[in-house]
Amino acid sequence: GQNIDQPTEMTATEGAIVQINCTYQTSGFNGLFWYQQHAGEAPTFLSYNVLDGLEEKGRFSSFLSRSKGYSYLLLKELQMKDSASYLCVLMDSNYQLIWGAGTKLIIKP
Amino acid sequence: TAGITQAPTSQILAAGRSMTLRCTQDMRHNAMYWYRQDLGLGLRLIHYSNTAGTTGKGEVPDGYSVSRANTDDFPLTLASAVPSQTSVYFCASSDRTSGETDTQYFGPGTRLTVL
Repeated sequence: GQNIDQPTEMTATEGAIVQINCTYQTSGFNGLFWYQQHAGEAPTFLSYNVLDGLEEKGRFSSFLSRSKGYSYLLLKELQMKDSASYLCVLMDSNYQLIWGAGTKLIIKP
Repeated sequence: TAGITQAPTSQILAAGRSMTLRCTQDMRHNAMYWYRQDLGLGLRLIHYSNTAGTTGKGEVPDGYSVSRANTDDFPLTLASAVPSQTSVYFCASSDRTSGETDTQYFGPGTRLTVL
């Protein structure tokens, strides 16, 4: 079967760095996405990894290790507006998306 | 551009009644999706459509039906609502080419309460 694990909630300080981890189990893999979802709003795309390594996009970076079934999202220079849920999403062998429950990130001044 | 719109924004519905949630996109995306999001759970796919005229069942299709008469519209119908269908419903679309990955773009959601 398929399974995605990520922490339910994390707290960080404005201006700091935070790493949100995601581990997964799947029989087929076609990539891993990270989406951001502010409370009461729709998810929005952040990043996509299909090969091992780090993808950097401004203050956000995403890392993938397929052999370990592991990904993380790194957020630098945290801003209050980064308070949101971050969803780890697996694309399976049928190109269907399997959504994690999300990590709620709370930023404190 | 508007992207994806959903209507209504929210609705309270009596159990046993029927309802159609509307979804329209103006990006000419070929694929569209309906998800439900419940507290503590990831988004769950209800139905999807890879192209106009075709639909498929997702993870939780029971109690829901869809149609895809044209590229832009993808309505979701609850024939006889039950309280367990209380949820936030998101419609999404993507410019999906068979065998390739895609990024999904989401509508603002419909908050449905079934009493």
